[in-house]
Formats: sequence, C-alpha cells, structure tokens
Amino acid sequence: DAGVTQSPTHLIKTRGQQVTLRCSPISGHKSVSWYQQVLGQGPQFIFQYYEKEERGRGNFPDRFSARQFPNYSSELNVNALLLGDSALYLCASTRTRGGTEAFFGQGTRLTVV
Amino acid sequence: SQQGEEDPQALSIQEGENATMNCSYKTSINNLQWYRQNSGRGLVHLILIRSNEREKHSGRLRVTLDTSKKSSSLLITASRAADTASYFCATDESNFGNEKLTFGTGTRLTIIP
Repeated sequence: DAGVTQSPTHLIKTRGQQVTLRCSPISGHKSVSWYQQVLGQGPQFIFQYYEKEERGRGNFPDRFSARQFPNYSSELNVNALLLGDSALYLCASTRTRGGTEAFFGQGTRLTVV
Repeated sequence: SQQGEEDPQALSIQEGENATMNCSYKTSINNLQWYRQNSGRGLVHLILIRSNEREKHSGRLRVTLDTSKKSSSLLITASRAADTASYFCATDESNFGNEKLTFGTGTRLTIIP
C-alpha cells in the first residue's frame, strides 16, 4: 500500500500570496491532520479532519483553512502569506479519530520570500 | 505551543553504545508516542505506550512512562549509524476531547561510526 503522499514537495511563494497544499492518506484511513514544523522545532498541530468534518484546530490564525474530500484526501490553504509561514508542512493520517499511531507524509517545504 | 521538552537537545555517542533521551509533558494523556525524523523530512512512528503502561519494548527500543512525573524515556540499545536522526515524543490527548498529537522539541542524535 502507498503511504501518505503530499504535493508539492517544495514551493516558493511571495509574501501576500495564497498557497494550497495537498495530502492523500493511506487507503482506509479516514482521519487527516496537518502540522507545521518550523526549522529546529517540533511539529505544531494545525487541523484534524475526520469523516470530512473538522475535529480539531490548533492555535493558528484564520488565514489557515483546510478541508477534506469524500475520498478522504485533504487540502490545506494559507492566505496572505507571511515570511513566518516558511516551514515544513506535514500531513498525517490515522485509521480512526485518535489514540493510534499516525503515519506521516514526507512534507511540503514552503518558502515565503 | 509545545507540550513539553526532550532532554538532551543533542546527543552524540559512539556506534554500539546505548542512547537515552527523556521527554517531559504537562497535561493528562491517553498515550505517548515516539517518532524519528531524518533530515527534516517525514516522521516515522517508533513506539506507542498507553497511559496505563509503564514499560514497552520494540526491537532495540525500550520506552518507559511515569505518569506521576509526567515523563517518558526512550532507550536505543546497540546504536547504529542509521539511528542518526531527530527523535520526538508526542502526547495524544484524544480521549480528552483534543484530537491531536502535541510534540516536544526533539533530541538530535548523532551516532559516530
């Protein structure tokens, strides 16, 4: 089975622009979570979606939004990009809502210039 | 915000030696998980220990959990060059209404051949 796939792998955007990151979970996994990892720190939780509904939201501004599609894939959108949004964005899928191991994709490296 | 911290922040040992890293956290948890990250890419799940367990083994890995002290330790025995990576603990509060993993700050482990 394929693992969690994320696209694109690298992205360079200009301040003020908008970006969309994509994630496909492992087949059979219904939960997708998004994390932001700034260089030198641990990942920070942004969103969790389960069965197409938002189940958790981290301490991020409203410029960050996400959604989950009927096939359980997900998109993370970030509007009005700031230099501080430069980070590795990680997607993780789990079979259930929580309480089990999470499987992570390789991430999207976003650079805002 | 980070749930807690790993200690030490960085660790260098000779190949074949044992490596121990510690994790402290702040809130009640459902389980605690350890992940490995190579070169700033995706995280790989290593081991999960539930809040009612005190010790768990998986191959060369041994994890302990002390919920009274809100701390955990990861022991890697007979280290190999391939163990060079960053290691993160993550607390799962899914049973308490928060559908997310909260990561620590990580330990950077370097195995010297």
